Amino acid sequence: DAGVTQSPTHLIKTRGQQVTLRCSPKSGHDTVSWYQQALGQGPQFIFQYYEEEERQRGNFPDRFSGHQFPNYSSELNVNALLLGDSALYLCASSLAWAGETSPLHFGNGTRLTVT
Amino acid sequence: AQKVTQAQTEISVVEKEDVTLDCVYETRDTTYYLFWYKQPPSGELVFLIRRNSFDEQNEISGRYSWNFQKSTSSFNFTITASQVVDSAVYFCALSWYNDYKLSFGAGTTVTVRA
Repeated sequence: DAGVTQSPTHLIKTRGQQVTLRCSPKSGHDTVSWYQQALGQGPQFIFQYYEEEERQRGNFPDRFSGHQFPNYSSELNVNALLLGDSALYLCASSLAWAGETSPLHFGNGTRLTVT
Repeated sequence: AQKVTQAQTEISVVEKEDVTLDCVYETRDTTYYLFWYKQPPSGELVFLIRRNSFDEQNEISGRYSWNFQKSTSSFNFTITASQVVDSAVYFCALSWYNDYKLSFGAGTTVTVRA
């Protein structure tokens, strides 16, 4: 039973560039959430996708955008990268029918470094 | 404001000692859900336990137990007879009725020495 998979594992970008991170949810899951985890802090909610639409968004600027595909996989795009965007980006999947009580299953994350 | 506070930054114990992690939360909602997650060095957050606000019964699951007290807005987590493999960062998290995001505390780093 495949868990949540994220790619790439590590990424180094320069300020001002754009980046795309990818996520495949756990088998059977239909909802994908993205979190940003800065060093030494807890994860911060970016947004959640369900039925190919953004269902909820956290307090992140429009530079952060996403997409969900018909096979439930998802992408996170960040434009005009800032040094402060350096973080571990975590993807989590869950089941929509279980609602807000559904435990999230997380991937190992993508470590983004902006220089 | 809805907020999760984990006052302990780091805890270091010797194997077989018990470890209790503190979590205090703030919420104006009457229906909410509390979680504990573990993050080993690999980076993946692993779900441990979940509790609903309307169920204050405390339970034990293997070496894990938790103490949920609405009166003090606390949701503490205990690892009994700790093992080296328990070394990780532990996060307390909160979600609300009809809200899909989790709000995490800053985490507590647990180091279990052999």
